[in-house]
Amino acid sequence: EPEVTQTPSHQVTQMGQEVILRCVPISNHLYFYWYRQILGQKVEFLVSFYNNEISEKSEIFDDQFSVERPDGSNFTLKIRSTKLEDSAMYFCASSVRTGRNEKLFFGSGTQLSVL
Amino acid sequence: AQSVTQPDIHITVSEGASLELRCNYSYGATPYLFWYVQSPGQGLQLLLKYFSGDTLVQGIKGFEAEFKRSQSSFNLRKPSVHWSDAAEYFCAVAPSGGNEKLTFGTGTRLTIIP
Repeated sequence: EPEVTQTPSHQVTQMGQEVILRCVPISNHLYFYWYRQILGQKVEFLVSFYNNEISEKSEIFDDQFSVERPDGSNFTLKIRSTKLEDSAMYFCASSVRTGRNEKLFFGSGTQLSVL
Repeated sequence: AQSVTQPDIHITVSEGASLELRCNYSYGATPYLFWYVQSPGQGLQLLLKYFSGDTLVQGIKGFEAEFKRSQSSFNLRKPSVHWSDAAEYFCAVAPSGGNEKLTFGTGTRLTIIP
């Protein structure tokens, strides 16, 4: 089965630093997502992305966050100035299209630790 | 706003025994419901989904789930668990019938003992 690949698997950064989390969605997919899970809490939707623009975002996704598809294969999540509360597991996901019959493929996640 | 509750944080089951993981949802309209599994070091994998029709849904790996509107529940079941079923299980609801903006429960960790 095809896979969504996320790198790195674990990233440690200092508070206030910028981080970029990288994802390679499945090659023919058109819809891209980021979710996150703070330890002990629910997996939360952050943002969805289609046709090179954000289609929907949650209240968590403030001005410190941005997403980009820089080269047609990678899908990145940037946190401009990390805070302690940004520490979480970040999941990338992709699908061919949205809708009831579509399957969402998730990556294995990047564990971000902000010190 | 929709929400999902998984009341069991951790469940331990003997190999070969039956399993039921509970999920309750809150949503104003007809829900679209999902169960995902996450094995250690792996991503979230879709086990099964319910949109409409038959309220008993069959999924992969021998899992099934039953939608009960009167109880606002979507419990996951398996008649006989295997050691490889040890993982974290997440119930989720989507408002639009698609995959966007899934709302997840907090998950249930399943431990299998010999």
